[in-house]
Amino acid sequence: QLQLQESGPGLVKPSETLSLTCTVSGGSISSSSYYWGWIRQPPGKGLEWIGSIYYSGSTYYNPSLKSRVTISVDTSKNQFSLKLSSVTAADTAVYYCASWELLTGWFDPWGQGTLVTVSS
Amino acid sequence: NFMLTQPHSVSESPGKTVTISCTRSSGSIASNYVQWYQQRPGSAPTTVIYEDNQRPSGVPDRFSGSIDSSSNSASLTISGLKTEDEADYYCQSYDSSNDVVFGGGTKLTVL
Repeated sequence: QLQLQESGPGLVKPSETLSLTCTVSGGSISSSSYYWGWIRQPPGKGLEWIGSIYYSGSTYYNPSLKSRVTISVDTSKNQFSLKLSSVTAADTAVYYCASWELLTGWFDPWGQGTLVTVSS
Repeated sequence: NFMLTQPHSVSESPGKTVTISCTRSSGSIASNYVQWYQQRPGSAPTTVIYEDNQRPSGVPDRFSGSIDSSSNSASLTISGLKTEDEADYYCQSYDSSNDVVFGGGTKLTVL
């Protein structure tokens, strides 16, 4: 049974880079069946897709965040990572990682999420 | 890109049926699958419907999904409402560029 777990700093200063890692267990990140995605949710607000990556490194990014986002994959560690640069308070959110089926667009399962606060 | 518009909130009594709509702003709703996620406070979203109308194992058949090309919308219907169904519900789809979009979410109150 596939499980995902986010990790990384809970506090980031404005203008710095937010870095998170998602560790996949119960299956291989190199599976041909899945992409791997990041989604965020500001406090009290809705879900926003950040981007997705295939084990080969192929990526899709939200056009509104593309200039600040880098998603990478480390198949040796069964992990994929998110970097979001030049953060502001508006980037404060719970960040989720999830498995993504490209053909159906379905995110499942999701990690439990991790709150990242942008503040000095 | 396109948007998915959901009502901000709906409410209904236990035992009744409620339908939540999700309207696609451009492009055909039938062109790409729609998923529905349930999110309870403090928890990650979980899938209640995928591929327009499919239920994952463990989701009761009180939950059903459909699409309507005439209104370019998808719907999530929950029958026999239970207090445990009270949650936020999000629709989600994508486009030919594989850009993913979530609806704004609907807060379901069962009172």
